[in-house]
Amino acid sequence: EDKVVQSPLSLVVHEGDTVTLNCSYEVTNFRSLLWYKQEKKAPTFLFMLTSSGIEKKSGRLSSILDKKELSSILNITATQTGDSAIYLCAVDSNYQLIWGAGTKLIIKP
Amino acid sequence: DARVTQTPRHKVTEMGQEVTMRCQPILGHNTVFWYRQTMMQGLELLAYFRNRAPLDDSGMPKDRFSAEMPDATLATLKIQPSEPRDSAVYFCASGPSGGRTGELFFGEGSRLTVL
Repeated sequence: EDKVVQSPLSLVVHEGDTVTLNCSYEVTNFRSLLWYKQEKKAPTFLFMLTSSGIEKKSGRLSSILDKKELSSILNITATQTGDSAIYLCAVDSNYQLIWGAGTKLIIKP
Repeated sequence: DARVTQTPRHKVTEMGQEVTMRCQPILGHNTVFWYRQTMMQGLELLAYFRNRAPLDDSGMPKDRFSAEMPDATLATLKIQPSEPRDSAVYFCASGPSGGRTGELFFGEGSRLTVL
């Protein structure tokens, strides 16, 4: 059965800290891995990763895929209170998106 | 500013009542998804349409749920009869590609409470 596991489930840090969120997967036919950020309402797209070792970067956020380890990390540097959200990982397997449970990140001022 | 529009934003109803949720996907997108999100289950795929044709509704309880796309600008999700366990946030999402990969654009969700 395809599955996506995110860790930690929740994380509390102070503003300015750097955080690393993890996503591991076991799927039958990997096509891509996606990261989304969900604040109070709808998930919004962050990154799509298809190739191992190539970092995607957007401001203070970056992500990289390791196909050998079947995992991806999402890094956030110099965190701000606005980064508080649930971060969702999804893997496209056989044209189906398998979603992780999310990591709830809380940034304390 | 293109966005996915969902109605109603909030719905409180009594067990046994019919509930209809509506979604207007982004113009030009040809894939539409209905998801349900709860604290316990996370995001669950209920139905998936491509070019208005239903391709996957295996995640949807068939006895009470139905999903349709009467035209390219409207997707509906109906629950009849509703039950308390249906209480959740229902998201509609649309995507520009022909497959399930790539960026999905989510609506703001319909929060359903069944008493």
